[in-house]
Amino acid sequence: GESVGLHLPTLSVQEGDNSIINCAYSNSASDYFIWYKQESGKGPQFIIDIRSNMDKRQGQRVTVLLNKTVKHLSLQIAATQPGDSAVYFCAETPRMDSSYKLIFGSGTRLLVRP
Amino acid sequence: DAGITQSPRHKVTETGTPVTLRCHQTENHRYMYWYRQDPGHGLRLIHYSYGVKDTDKGEVSDGYSVSRSKTEDFLLTLESATSSQTSVYFCAISESTGWETQYFGPGTRLLVL
Repeated sequence: GESVGLHLPTLSVQEGDNSIINCAYSNSASDYFIWYKQESGKGPQFIIDIRSNMDKRQGQRVTVLLNKTVKHLSLQIAATQPGDSAVYFCAETPRMDSSYKLIFGSGTRLLVRP
Repeated sequence: DAGITQSPRHKVTETGTPVTLRCHQTENHRYMYWYRQDPGHGLRLIHYSYGVKDTDKGEVSDGYSVSRSKTEDFLLTLESATSSQTSVYFCAISESTGWETQYFGPGTRLLVL
């Protein structure tokens, strides 16, 4: 079935380096994508979103890239900090789906080494 | 947590007992959702609401019911709890649907013995 998945379940980076978290999606009808950050014991926290009519969107220290040709989404975190350690989820929603459902990937754990 | 509270935050109950979880929002958002999060499954939608008294099923709705009598409150009920319903439950809200972000509450950790 349609799914959203991640290439790397765990990513370890040095503090100060840039992090790249990847996500593959298979539903070509998906037109809205969101990245969430989830710290231990907390609910998912919105980071950044992107619509299918865009290739790139930047926030504060974060950038999301969307490649519709290969159905690939990535989250780039600049100058990774210890507070960035968390699990990151991508989520998609196909506009054709009237159930208002977000489809979540299984998550990537980001570990920041001091 | 975007003006969302969940209660209780932790609960331990026994198999066969009814359990009700409450989600309360102060954002006046139209849409509310209940998800469960389990290792290996990510976040899965249980039920959602698109207005007062308007609810529909998600992908894992068996064993759960919901009610929404006011805009700000969305209740999730386990009529007869089972051990397979041990999970972390998250409520989410969104202003509308389609290209709208969902914002999540802090979660309720439920253990069914």
